[in-house]
Amino acid sequence: ETGVTQTPRHLVMGMTNKKSLKCEQHLGHNAMYWYKQSAKKPLELMFVYSLEERVENNSVPSRFSPECPNSSHLFLHLHTLQPEDSALYLCASSQDLDSGLDTQYFGPGTRLTVL
Amino acid sequence: KNEVEQSPQNLTAQEGEFITINCSYSVGISALHWLQQHPGGGIVSLFMLSSGKKKHGRLIATINIQEKHSSLHITASHPRDSAVYICAVPYNTDKLIFGTGTRLQVFP
Repeated sequence: ETGVTQTPRHLVMGMTNKKSLKCEQHLGHNAMYWYKQSAKKPLELMFVYSLEERVENNSVPSRFSPECPNSSHLFLHLHTLQPEDSALYLCASSQDLDSGLDTQYFGPGTRLTVL
Repeated sequence: KNEVEQSPQNLTAQEGEFITINCSYSVGISALHWLQQHPGGGIVSLFMLSSGKKKHGRLIATINIQEKHSSLHITASHPRDSAVYICAVPYNTDKLIFGTGTRLQVFP
């Protein structure tokens, strides 16, 4: 248990569906992250939030829409996805926004399949 | 070319063997992270180091900042060490760049 939970753990959706991924951290951290992990590729940073403000949007298509209502919760809203969006989506948190000094704590991930 | 390169990509070992995984990077860094990802997908941070060596149980991580190289060693490997090991380096304060990972399988 890392203190970061994600739901659902598995999700299958059609290209016309709308769904949301949820992440919750119980660590009192100020920064939260969404990553995408595709087969045979390195982890890709999608979004970074610090104190509920988005500080990084790593050229992610608009069909992915993040939301951070408070410092403990992070959502990733999905709509009109493509089959190539099938991947493991990982959430992480860190005490503050300093990737050189702060350890990131990862959730278990949501395995997304787009049909 | 990825800015963080790991070798080998795949590694198999017999239980008890000494394991070494290497990571080379091309950007200037303040620290380097080693992470472990188990088959279920969850990722655990193993080490964050900026110089020298760190040890935690059977795991040892070393870094040479001048040569831009780090190694992760596992002594007396065990089947439960089977996982993907990932190194990551900070790019900006808010971003980590990850290697593609080394898949380790340890057989009894």
